[in-house]
Amino acid sequence: EAGVAQSPRYKIIEKRQSVAFWCNPISGHATLYWYQQILGQGPKLLIQFQNNGVVDDSQLPKDRFSAERLKGVDSTLKIQPAKLEDSAVYLCASSPRASGTTFNEQFFGPGTRLTVL
Amino acid sequence: QQQVKQSPQSLIVQKGGISIINCAYENTAFDYFPWYQQFPGKGPALLIAIRPDVSEKKEGRFTISFNKSAKQFSLHIMDSQPGDSATYFCAAKGAGSYQLTFGKGTKLSVIP
Repeated sequence: EAGVAQSPRYKIIEKRQSVAFWCNPISGHATLYWYQQILGQGPKLLIQFQNNGVVDDSQLPKDRFSAERLKGVDSTLKIQPAKLEDSAVYLCASSPRASGTTFNEQFFGPGTRLTVL
Repeated sequence: QQQVKQSPQSLIVQKGGISIINCAYENTAFDYFPWYQQFPGKGPALLIAIRPDVSEKKEGRFTISFNKSAKQFSLHIMDSQPGDSATYFCAAKGAGSYQLTFGKGTKLSVIP
């Protein structure tokens, strides 16, 4: 079974530029997550989709970050304009079940390392 | 914001020794406590998870101990191997949601 795919793997931009990250979850997984992992810290949830609807985006800086999940499959995360503090690894994860509250394992992609200069 | 506090930040263990990583949480509205392992350049991968109504769970060389009254849980790696060298994150899942709150991670180095 193929894992979660992300691209690009690395991106270097200057502050105030825009950037987009792409995620392809595991086939059939209903729930998709975007996390921000700053160096030396644990992942922090930015947004959670269930199919193509947003479940939680309370920690997404909406003035500069946006995300969409078209047709309930692939997803893109965009930052516009980027700030220095956005330098981090952006992780995408997916999980299989669309409902229920038992532990629903999240499968993580390799991440995109963003450096903002 | 709900928090999960993890210690130590880094850990060096001799091959064959026991690695112990501790976590504490404040919010009682967590209902699952997973541990993730992350190698450089890779995303975190689930290692083992426990529910709060269980005091211990063992899978191979990995054991979670859970103390509900103290709001603490720990990961024990028995017979640590150089291949176990990675960053370990504890996490807690919010009750009624899929959201995970992660600790800051522990970088484990197992030396031969």
